[in-house]
Amino acid sequence: DVKVTQSSRYLVKRTGEKVFLECVQDMDHENMFWYRQDPGLGLRLIYFSYDVKMKEKGDIPEGYSVSREKKERFSLILESASTNQTSMYLCASSFGTLQSGELFFGEGSRLTVL
Amino acid sequence: AQSVTQLDSQVPVFEEAPVELRCNYSSSVSVYLFWYVQYPNQGLQLLLKYLSGSTLVKGINGFEAEFNKSQTSFHLRKPSVHISDTAEYFCAITNNFNKFYFGSGTKLNVKP
Repeated sequence: DVKVTQSSRYLVKRTGEKVFLECVQDMDHENMFWYRQDPGLGLRLIYFSYDVKMKEKGDIPEGYSVSREKKERFSLILESASTNQTSMYLCASSFGTLQSGELFFGEGSRLTVL
Repeated sequence: AQSVTQLDSQVPVFEEAPVELRCNYSSSVSVYLFWYVQYPNQGLQLLLKYLSGSTLVKGINGFEAEFNKSQTSFHLRKPSVHISDTAEYFCAITNNFNKFYFGSGTKLNVKP
């Protein structure tokens, strides 16, 4: 089975702290994604990566950056956390092809910024 | 631009009753369509997908969906729901498997 593992299920941080969310996948997927999930808004794409060291902005990249130094690992970074970044963060990965393009998700990281 | 609309934010239904969760989309190009399910405190998992071919697709747990291109819809159905189907359901589209667009979700609440 494909496994996407997010390092922390629950985090509590203070305003202004730097926050790292880590995601690892074990299926050699090319594509990796970071989404933010908020009630009533569904999932919104923050960033995605289609290869090592390659990244593209999604719909809401402001306040976030990402890093992909190895194929299996995709990190989301909040340089200076703010209360409006309190949310559920979901990592996903995929092969990105017609034959196997669906997303596989991790269990999510619920971040609270005080 | 692409977008997905799930008009029903919550759908209450009694156990063993049929259910339909509605999904409409907007896109200027051909898209592939997906339904995902999210159980409490978990990530999303794929229920079913439409890539091509028969417009009626069957997924896991007895769910099915029908792609209607003229109405730009991809409604999810199940003839008889169980308590265990209580979850949030998301419709999603993509045209290139790089950017997926998700609806706002429908919470299905199955009552005994």
